[in-house]
Amino acid sequence: QSVLTQPPSVSGAPGQRVTISCTGSSSNIGAGYDVHWYQQLPGTAPKLLIYGNINRPSGVPDRFSASKSGTSASLAISGLQAEDEADYYCQSYESGLIGWVFGGGTKLTVL
Amino acid sequence: QLQLQESGPGLVKPSETLSLTCTVSDVSTSSRSYYWGWIRQPPGKGLEWIGSVYYSGSTSYRPSLKSRVTISVDTSKNQFSLKLSSVTAADTAVYYCARQGAYGDYVGHWGQGTLVTVSS
Repeated sequence: QSVLTQPPSVSGAPGQRVTISCTGSSSNIGAGYDVHWYQQLPGTAPKLLIYGNINRPSGVPDRFSASKSGTSASLAISGLQAEDEADYYCQSYESGLIGWVFGGGTKLTVL
Repeated sequence: QLQLQESGPGLVKPSETLSLTCTVSDVSTSSRSYYWGWIRQPPGKGLEWIGSVYYSGSTSYRPSLKSRVTISVDTSKNQFSLKLSSVTAADTAVYYCARQGAYGDYVGHWGQGTLVTVSS
C-alpha cells in the first residue's frame, strides 16, 4: 500500500483536460514537503514532469500543470494527446522515513 | 549530461544476495550537493523507494527492507551500490538508481533500470 494515494486510472478524449489527484498526510505533503510528478511510458524509466509542486523542467509542455493544497496535490493535463497515454506518479518526502514516498500510480488512457 | 547506469546480475537465486552497482558519469558522487538512491518497481506495480546514500556515506533505508539492505558509495570509482540479502520472489523488480534533483527532494535523474529476477 502506497503512502500517497492516487486513483488507479483516469481517461479522456483527445483535446480534453484530465486531472490526477494525490492524497497524503500530515507526515508528508501536509508537513510542507513539496510534491513532484513523473510520467512513465511503457518500458521506460520515469521522467520528471513537475518539481516543487508547480515547476516544469525545460522541455515539458505547458499543457502539464500542477498544484498543491493542504495534504493533497493534483496534476492537470490539458489538450490531451495520444502520446500522453502513460502512468503518472506523484512523489513527496517523509521526514520519519527520511526518504522518497510515491503514490501508487495512475494509468492515463487517451480514448 | 549526467548519466546513471545500473549493472549487475539479472538473475538471483532465492535466499542469495542481490548486488547492483550504479556508475555515474559527468558528476562526482562526492559532491556535497546531492544524495543518491535506489528505487524498484515490481512487474506491473508502482515505484518503491529502497534507500539513499549521501556523499559522506550516511544512509537511510526503507523500514521494511532495512534489515536486508546495504547501500554504499565509492567516490573513487564514482559509483554507488545496492546489496539486498535473503531475496525472495517478491524482490523481483526493475531496479533504478537515481540522483536527487537540483532543487529539492525529488528524483532529478534516473538510470535506465535493470530487471532482476529472483528464481531458482
